[in-house]
Amino acid sequence: QKEVEQDPGPLSVPEGAIVSLNCTYSNSAFQYFMWYRQYSRKGPELLMYTYSSGNKEDGRFTAQVDKSSKYISLFIRDSQPSDSATYLCAMSDNYGQNFVFGPGTRLSVLP
Amino acid sequence: DADVTQTPRNRITKTGKRIMLECSQTKGHDRMYWYRQDPGLGLQLIYYSFDVKDINKGEISDGYSVSRQAQAKFSLSLESAIPNQTALYFCATSDSKETQYFGPGTRLLVL
Repeated sequence: QKEVEQDPGPLSVPEGAIVSLNCTYSNSAFQYFMWYRQYSRKGPELLMYTYSSGNKEDGRFTAQVDKSSKYISLFIRDSQPSDSATYLCAMSDNYGQNFVFGPGTRLSVLP
Repeated sequence: DADVTQTPRNRITKTGKRIMLECSQTKGHDRMYWYRQDPGLGLQLIYYSFDVKDINKGEISDGYSVSRQAQAKFSLSLESAIPNQTALYFCATSDSKETQYFGPGTRLLVL
């Protein structure tokens, strides 16, 4: 079993839809949970991070962490064509030495 | 991200050749990382360094070596390139447990 698993997609949605992206993990030592967005031919860029369990909202984006289920989600409201990218979840432990990425989900938002 | 630069951006080489990929950062971060990205596999950690005197192997270090010449510079070498090292290579920097900043990537093709 991989340490971090993520729905591979690709995922296609119409403009304005609510998008849900999810990751599961196996290592209970993970405390920091991140979402990165990667456009084609670009490096990943940090979207949001959350410490431990709970929700965090930033504009149209909401990150949720459920440590009891080892499950994290990223919700995108009112999705736009500019949101079309690959989304990578990532997580690390308290020491920052074990930093692991999921394989990514490719999202296309159709106008 | 202009704060993290990688050279070259694209490279074609032949099997058995030695090549070096370079990374420079102006963010003043102590931590630097090298990843490779293959379709469907996400980001795999090759090597990481938490300061100039600290070098650590990642999950796929075989066939690679690194040099941390200064706080701002971290180079990745392929001593004898092979075709399955064809991939997209990213350098990243960090000053914390929850965020990494990525360079634009180097696309490497080994013939």
